[in-house]
Amino acid sequence: QVQLQESGPRLVKPSETLSLTCTVSGASISSYYWIWIRQPAGKGLEWIGRIYISGSTNCNPSLKSRVTMSVDTSKNQFSLELSSVTAADTAVYYCARESAAAALETLDFWGQGTLVTVSS
Amino acid sequence: QSVLTQPPSVSAAPGQKVTISCSGSSSNIGNNYVSWYQQLPGTAPKLLIYDNNKRPSGIPDRFSGSKSGTSGTLGISGLQTGDEADYYCGTWDSSLSAGVFGGGTKLTVL
Repeated sequence: QVQLQESGPRLVKPSETLSLTCTVSGASISSYYWIWIRQPAGKGLEWIGRIYISGSTNCNPSLKSRVTMSVDTSKNQFSLELSSVTAADTAVYYCARESAAAALETLDFWGQGTLVTVSS
Repeated sequence: QSVLTQPPSVSAAPGQKVTISCSGSSSNIGNNYVSWYQQLPGTAPKLLIYDNNKRPSGIPDRFSGSKSGTSGTLGISGLQTGDEADYYCGTWDSSLSAGVFGGGTKLTVL
């Protein structure tokens, strides 16, 4: 069974960089697109970006200038960095897998999510 | 402001059927497939429908999906109290080169 688990600091200071890692088990990270999504409390889902093993990425235009994504095949992990954070970046952050057997943006497996709070 | 538009809430009685709409444009739903996700309170979203109308293994056939033009629709029949959740549509937007979601619809089973 495919499992994804987010990890990283739960509290980040304003203007600093938010860093999260998603560890994948039950599937090779080399064969899929991997996605980051966030959800502020009481609000809807926001697509952040996706990355493939080749390094190819797509980002939400509204976040593109602050987002960096990477993949570590040796650890079967992928990561997100969001720079210059503000309180508006406080949210539950999810990692997910894009299905290889369905249309674009079919997210078939999700992590449980991790709450990241931006506060001094 | 979400790229895809969903009603904020819908409600129906147990055993009844409800539909949830998802409206987009030619750059997203009009030229791509729609997925639907169920988010139970306090949990991560779960894939419910993909490729407009297909169900992953384990999803009961009470859940159905369809697409017409630039809109997608999720149908849930034989409503149960356990179906109370937030439902999100999603797709790819070819103009943005990014994934997009609807704002979500809260289903209440009265």
